[in-house]
Amino acid sequence: DVKVTQSSRYLVKRTGEKVFLECVQDMDHENMFWYRQDPGLGLRLIYFSYDVKMKEKGDIPEGYSVSREKKERFSLILESASTNQTSMYLCASSLRTVPAYGYTFGSGTRLTVV
Amino acid sequence: AQSVTQPDIHITVSEGASLELRCNYSYGATPYLFWYVQSPGQGLQLLLKYFSGDTLVQGIKGFEAEFKRSQSSFNLRKPSVHWSDAAEYFCAVWGGATNKLIFGTGTLLAVQP
Repeated sequence: DVKVTQSSRYLVKRTGEKVFLECVQDMDHENMFWYRQDPGLGLRLIYFSYDVKMKEKGDIPEGYSVSREKKERFSLILESASTNQTSMYLCASSLRTVPAYGYTFGSGTRLTVV
Repeated sequence: AQSVTQPDIHITVSEGASLELRCNYSYGATPYLFWYVQSPGQGLQLLLKYFSGDTLVQGIKGFEAEFKRSQSSFNLRKPSVHWSDAAEYFCAVWGGATNKLIFGTGTLLAVQP
């Protein structure tokens, strides 16, 4: 089975800190995605990547950046964390031909910014 | 543009009762459709998917979904709900040229003993 691993289940950070959320997948998937999930708002796409060193903005990229130096790893960076970035963050990956297999999700990182 | 609507935000059913979660989509061509489940504090797990062929699709955990083109719907069903089915359920449609899945806002299922 494909595994998508998010390095932390829970994080507590202070306002203004630089925060790194790491995601690693082990099945050579080309596509990787970062979402945030908030009650009543569903999943909102922050950034995605179709290949190493490639990135595309999603629906809510403000306040975030990403890094994909290796195919298996996709990092989400909060340059200066703010309380409104307190949320559940979900990483997902897929083969290039998404329709065939859908996405595989990690278990999520619940980030609290105080 | 492609979109997905899950009209029910929250549903409560009794254990052993049948379940139907609604999903309506907007897509010009033949859609690729998915249902995911998210247990509390977890990521999303694929329940089932529809690409073509038989419009009744079987998934894991005893779930099934029926594709109805005339109604633009892909409703999820289970004949007898178990307490462990309490979770949030997301419907999704393939976004075509965008190369992404478009998710609904989810339906939170509570199961009463």
